[in-house]
Amino acid sequence: DIQMTQSPSTLSASVGDRVTITCRASQTLNSWLAWYQQRPGKAPKLLIYKTSSLQSGVPSRFSGSGSGTEFTLTISSLQPDDFATYYCLDYHSYSRTFGQGTKVEIK
Amino acid sequence: EVRLMESGGGLVQPGGSLRLSCEVSGFTFSSYWMSWVRQAPGKGLEWVANIKVDGSEKYYVDSVKGRFTISRDNAKNSLDLQMNSLRVEDTAVYYCARDWNGSGHPMDVWGQGTTVTVSS
Repeated sequence: DIQMTQSPSTLSASVGDRVTITCRASQTLNSWLAWYQQRPGKAPKLLIYKTSSLQSGVPSRFSGSGSGTEFTLTISSLQPDDFATYYCLDYHSYSRTFGQGTKVEIK
Repeated sequence: EVRLMESGGGLVQPGGSLRLSCEVSGFTFSSYWMSWVRQAPGKGLEWVANIKVDGSEKYYVDSVKGRFTISRDNAKNSLDLQMNSLRVEDTAVYYCARDWNGSGHPMDVWGQGTTVTVSS
């Protein structure tokens, strides 16, 4: 089974900061990697799919990159709404695997 | 408007059963794979199961294989998750989500979740 490892687990940042979250897979995903944002008590929201495609309605400050087994989510200028938990998702096969999550906190 | 609404959650004793349902509207249900995802209290997201557009293929996370069964009724636009032999560690918020339709993106629309508590 594929293992998805996110880093860091927690990130403290300020409004306006550039933030990068990394997701490493135990085997190649061929670009089938997505990113989600989840606020407390809410359902997850799809931000990025197929490594770098921005989901409709998602602000352009969010971007994704990577290939093979290493992927990143970048928030170019952190906004108050962005303090949340972020998850990567492997969907290269029929089953799915989430990373353990990265909580972005206010510094 | 695309909507998914889960129901059927509640309190059940270990070893018991529960059936979750997800009613959908606003899109062509029969064109999408569908998934169940859960989140234990204070923990991360865990994909549970998914089902192909016509119900012919089903996949499960190892921890629920043999205990949970995913099903769908395309005529009624509904998705179910039958959960048997429930364990304390199955306690979670369960979400249904619209999944793959060949366009490149995975779970893009989610319900609000239904809470399952397994406790004696």
